[in-house]
This record gives sequence, C-alpha cells and structure tokens, in this order.
Amino acid sequence: ETGVTQSPTHLIKTRGQQVTLRCSSQSGHNTVSWYQQALGQGPQFIFQYYREEENGRGNFPPRFSGLQFPNYSSELNVNALELDDSALYLCASSPDLGPYLEAFFGQGTRLTVV
Amino acid sequence: AQTVTQSQPEMSVQEAETVTLSCTYDTSENNYYLFWYKQPPSRQMILVIRQEAYKQQNATENRFSVNFQKAAKSFSLKISDSQLGDTAMYFCAFMKLHLNAGGTSYGKLTFGQGTILTVHP
Repeated sequence: ETGVTQSPTHLIKTRGQQVTLRCSSQSGHNTVSWYQQALGQGPQFIFQYYREEENGRGNFPPRFSGLQFPNYSSELNVNALELDDSALYLCASSPDLGPYLEAFFGQGTRLTVV
Repeated sequence: AQTVTQSQPEMSVQEAETVTLSCTYDTSENNYYLFWYKQPPSRQMILVIRQEAYKQQNATENRFSVNFQKAAKSFSLKISDSQLGDTAMYFCAFMKLHLNAGGTSYGKLTFGQGTILTVHP
C-alpha cells in the first residue's frame, strides 16, 4: 500500500464528454503528478502540481487540466473526450519538490471512451 | 528529450532462478536518477530500486540489484531467487530536473515501454 488512493477505479464515458478523476495523496506530500498509460505502454507525464500550482507539464493539450487542494487531494479534468483518451490514469505523490527520490503511485483509474 | 528503451517485451524465468532485464536510455545530462518500477495486475506502480547517477556503486535491495553503466547509458535489473510474486510488468524510468517558465524546477519520470516478466513454478 502506497497511501495514495484514486477514484473511481473504472469509468466509461462518451466521446465529447468531460471527466474528472480524483486522487488522494499521502499526508505531507506537496507534489502530485499525473500520468497517462495507454494499454501495453509505459506511463506518459501529463503534469505536476506543487502547493496548488501547476509546476510542469508534458505534451498534452489544454483540455487536460488539474487542480490540487490544501487537503492533499487533487483532480485531473479532461474536456471534449476523444477515443484516444482511453487509458489508465495514474497519480503519484512525492514528499519533496524537485529531485524527489520516490513517487508513490495510486492504483489508477481505467478510463474507457466510447 | 530523454528516451528510455526496454528491448525485451517479455521474459520468463523459473522460480528460484536469476533473470536480468535490460534498459538503455539517452540523455545529455550528467545528473539524473534511474528507477525500476514493478506493476502487477493490480495496476499499482511499486518502486523496486533506484540509482543516483552520481553514485558509482550499483544499488541493491534484497534480491534486486542493478548494473549501472553510465558511459554506456545502460541500467539493467537483476532479480535473484525469483519468486512467483515477482510476476509483473517492469518499467525502467529516468528522472531529471526540468525548469518551468517561472524558473522553478520540477521532476518528471520518463518510462520505457515495459517488460512483462513471468515466473514459472
């Protein structure tokens, strides 16, 4: 157990809809990162939040957005869903900003877009 | 941009034997971190072992050890005395600091494509 929980575990949405995925980090972890893992692939970095501010972003369009709250919870929002958004979405929390030595991952949310 | 390559899509090993998973990476950086993560069917990514690039000594965690060759940009994972519970997808990952537009730094993991390891009884 990593102490990081994600909800829901599975989700089916229709193309064009919007979705919100949730993550609860370990207490004291001020950094949270989100990753997209397509089937059979390694995770791809979406963005990272530190103390409620977006701190870094990967090659994902603006329709992928996030929020981080003071209670160590965070959200990933995806607007105008596309079929290619179907993937496992992982959040990872870390105790330090920058050269953190370990990211604690949640079990992921499996999103299917039909 | 950094890339991480795992050239073995699948590997299998008999219980109690030793197996080595390969990983190569490409970077122009001198300071970075390397990781091996394990992802069982439960989907939760679990850290197996990490290596700081500035350390010459290879990292070891119980049955898991790495062979870090910085000049060759190679980072292989050796699993000794394989157990059935080691069956999982294994990902090699690279991490360095990036600077955002505001001048503050953040770290992101770049993963390889993964190697499916099956341990047979």
